[in-house]
Amino acid sequence: GAGVSQSPSNKVTEKGKDVELRCDPISGHTALYWYRQSLGQGLEFLIYFQGNSAPDKSGLPSDRFSAERTGGSVSTLTIQRTQQEDSAVYLCASSPHDRGVAFFGQGTRLTVV
Amino acid sequence: AQKITQTQPGMFVQEKEAVTLDCTYDTSDPSYGLFWYKQPSSGEMIFLIYQGSYDQQNATEGRYSLNFQKARKSANLVISASQLGDSAMYFCAMREPRGFSGGSNYKLTFGKGTLLTVNP
Repeated sequence: GAGVSQSPSNKVTEKGKDVELRCDPISGHTALYWYRQSLGQGLEFLIYFQGNSAPDKSGLPSDRFSAERTGGSVSTLTIQRTQQEDSAVYLCASSPHDRGVAFFGQGTRLTVV
Repeated sequence: AQKITQTQPGMFVQEKEAVTLDCTYDTSDPSYGLFWYKQPSSGEMIFLIYQGSYDQQNATEGRYSLNFQKARKSANLVISASQLGDSAMYFCAMREPRGFSGGSNYKLTFGKGTLLTVNP
């Protein structure tokens, strides 16, 4: 597809389970970002990838959160031992380069019950 | 410290009228970029307009224009001839090459958003 694709669009999980969220960026985009959007916190930066490396992971809220990117393309955000406070919309964005416009996917709505 | 401030939690406008959404920002870096995104109820974040700190002219994209006042550190979005489909949440965002951490990072910092409602 032409845009950033995220899957699943919705995920309901039980507290304590692990989840994986996937992001397919726009082809050729080298920069990839994960953000989290929740009612109380607005849009928060989580992690930034340039190619397959993550020079900035400063936004990851705890060591239960991790992310990787392979082949300079697909990225996976993993949340281990999910907690109710992890419930939010997780947004992925990609950009052709560091200074380019970031284009967002439609997000994954995560609900932890 | 809050870096992007959107002081209007909600705004109402009549269809076909113009509306200005406010945004002020704070940075000590001379090189930065300012963005506006629209988020309808469907949840997707749609890029609207971009202004670079060194751009001499205000950015325009169709019915959207950015009123960039560098000395005042403001980057207000102006929507002309509002349409019902413009009803959405609008976010102002800033990109700096170096955040507080000092590292190289082109992440976006977002404001809290303004909910725009266009009335028929």
